[in-house]
Amino acid sequence: NAGVTQTPKFRVLKTGQSMTLLCAQDMNHEYMYWYRQDPGMGLRLIHYSVGEGTTAKGEVPDGYNVSRLKKQNFLLGLESAAPSQTSVYFCASSRTRRSQYFGPGTRLTVL
Amino acid sequence: DQQVKQNSPSLSVQEGRISILNCDYTNSMFDYFLWYKKYPAEGPTFLISISSIKDKNEDGRFTVFLNKSAKHLSLHIVPSQPGDSAVYFCAASGEGETSGSRLTFGEGTQLTVNP
Repeated sequence: NAGVTQTPKFRVLKTGQSMTLLCAQDMNHEYMYWYRQDPGMGLRLIHYSVGEGTTAKGEVPDGYNVSRLKKQNFLLGLESAAPSQTSVYFCASSRTRRSQYFGPGTRLTVL
Repeated sequence: DQQVKQNSPSLSVQEGRISILNCDYTNSMFDYFLWYKKYPAEGPTFLISISSIKDKNEDGRFTVFLNKSAKHLSLHIVPSQPGDSAVYFCAASGEGETSGSRLTFGEGTQLTVNP
């Protein structure tokens, strides 16, 4: 039982490049989330999904897109990376609001 | 606007003493509160939670207190241990959310427990 896994762990991009971050969970959770963590700003919700085939915007969605084609996977895309998107990205999943289970994070640097 | 605020970026305590981490919120729709703990290079892990129908919840060395009238909650760790050194995030969610289990996080407090 791996819980929540994220791929890749680290990535360096140049401005304007695109990439996709993959999140996978094996707990059969309905809800999945993408957050970014920046110094002094805590965790901010980018996009989330309440079930397979659904997505919704969170607090800071601009510059990102997501897809939830399978219940266990939640993809976060950056179409044209900007230095402001340098951050640590966390994926999480949950069955209820009692707690969310987080992945180990992806450290992204945009030059 | 920051709906969940942790005003202390850092806290340092001696091993064996009490650690008190504080959190304030502004949204009166929040009715469920959680604390997460985060070690470097790892994802946050759930620590303890409290519903707004309670004013205290205890789990071993960890106790969370909720003061609804003041919109304030605190996490007490007694006794503190060096392994408790981590960043602690306060989070809140509201029954009124139609979006599922959305959480709003505070900025985090770095706790350092000195041997």
